Amino acid sequence: GAGVSQSPRYKVTKRGQDVALRCDPISGHVSLYWYRQALGQGPEFLTYFNYEAQQDKSGLPNDRFSAERPEGSISTLTIQRTEQRDSAMYRCASSLAPRLAGASYNEQFFGPGTRLTVL
Amino acid sequence: TQLLEQSPQFLSIQEGENLTVYCNSSSVFSSLQWYRQEPGEGPVLLVTVVTGGEVKKLKRLTFQFGDARKDSSLHITAAQPGDTGLYLCAGVRASNYQLIWGAGTKLIIKP
Repeated sequence: GAGVSQSPRYKVTKRGQDVALRCDPISGHVSLYWYRQALGQGPEFLTYFNYEAQQDKSGLPNDRFSAERPEGSISTLTIQRTEQRDSAMYRCASSLAPRLAGASYNEQFFGPGTRLTVL
Repeated sequence: TQLLEQSPQFLSIQEGENLTVYCNSSSVFSSLQWYRQEPGEGPVLLVTVVTGGEVKKLKRLTFQFGDARKDSSLHITAAQPGDTGLYLCAGVRASNYQLIWGAGTKLIIKP
């Protein structure tokens, strides 16, 4: 079956432009997560959704970052007025509904990521 | 704030040697997961440990969850070049099932 997909895979933009990163989770997965990951480091949590509801956005660096998942499936992470420090790998992950799968299980399936470069 | 400290950050050893990676926290997790990430790919789950004191084996990899469910270790026996990669631990927060990620251990096994 299809895994998590992300588009675009690579995005180069100029400082000040807005960008929209898309994530298409595994069909039927309730939870969707956005991370930012530096090379050789662990994922840095940004935000997550259960269905269409944004449960936690405490990891978003500032108000230039926003995310939505209007129909509980595809999600978009938008960065407005990009800055060079926003350059990073942005990863999306999805998981089954943990509360149904069992309290202790929350395997996350990751997409290939979008490499964002802000010039 | 729950934190998960992972060590060492980097490890380069010869093929055939043994190694251990540690994840430690002052907080209790409902379970702990270990992921492996290869260059250009996303992390992939290796194992989940659930019960305090639990030990799980995956071929030459042995995973242990601390009795108090605050720490975990990954031991690799007779490491092989194919074990090279970034190993990540992630604690599952009991309140909302979010993952708290360690910073990762970059492992290089030299032939």
